[in-house]
Amino acid sequence: AQSVTQLDSHVSVSEGTPVLLRCNYSSSYSPSLFWYVQHPNKGLQLLLKYTSAATLVKGINGFEAEFKKSETSFHLTKPSAHMSDAAEYFCVVSGYAGNNRKLIWGLGTSLAVNP
Amino acid sequence: ETGVTQSPTHLIKTRGQQVTLRCSSQSGHNTVSWYQQALGQGPQFIFQYYREEENGRGNFPPRFSGLQFPNYSSELNVNALELDDSALYLCASSEGTGGYEQYFGPGTRLTVT
Repeated sequence: AQSVTQLDSHVSVSEGTPVLLRCNYSSSYSPSLFWYVQHPNKGLQLLLKYTSAATLVKGINGFEAEFKKSETSFHLTKPSAHMSDAAEYFCVVSGYAGNNRKLIWGLGTSLAVNP
Repeated sequence: ETGVTQSPTHLIKTRGQQVTLRCSSQSGHNTVSWYQQALGQGPQFIFQYYREEENGRGNFPPRFSGLQFPNYSSELNVNALELDDSALYLCASSEGTGGYEQYFGPGTRLTVT
């Protein structure tokens, strides 16, 4: 069965410092992986996706993620945090529920950015 | 290209009542998924509709039901509302089922009193 684990429920960084949000996945086949962001009281926005092309995926707002099959990881990074990056981040893997393929969501990582 | 829209944005209902939430999918998308997101939690998958038929369901009771119309818009109906149904309900559309990325609407905030 497919699963996804976000290793940190809360991450706090200072503005201008790097961001690292960690995600490990479990899948018996080559997965599709996504990162979504949710700002307070807003809907979810797709940051980036991996679908078996380049292992380093660039997304919006300066974020990127690297697919590492040997480590079953898909960590999200950004070189320099902005105050506007404060939000909830979800790592998502495509998987099966019975015979239906669907997205499986991590529990989320809350990112705080301090001035 | 029109994004995913949801209506209403906010709704207050009384326990035992029924509610209908609406979603218009993004142009070109034939699949709609519904999620429930309680405060401080991640989205929980309710069900998915593909070409007007249910295509997968999460762990939600039958009083949660849905429809998809020929134009791929969708409704989520909840009967016999309970206090625990208070949540943000999110609709997402995609080009197909399975591993396609989903594009979300802004959500409907439902409060049950």
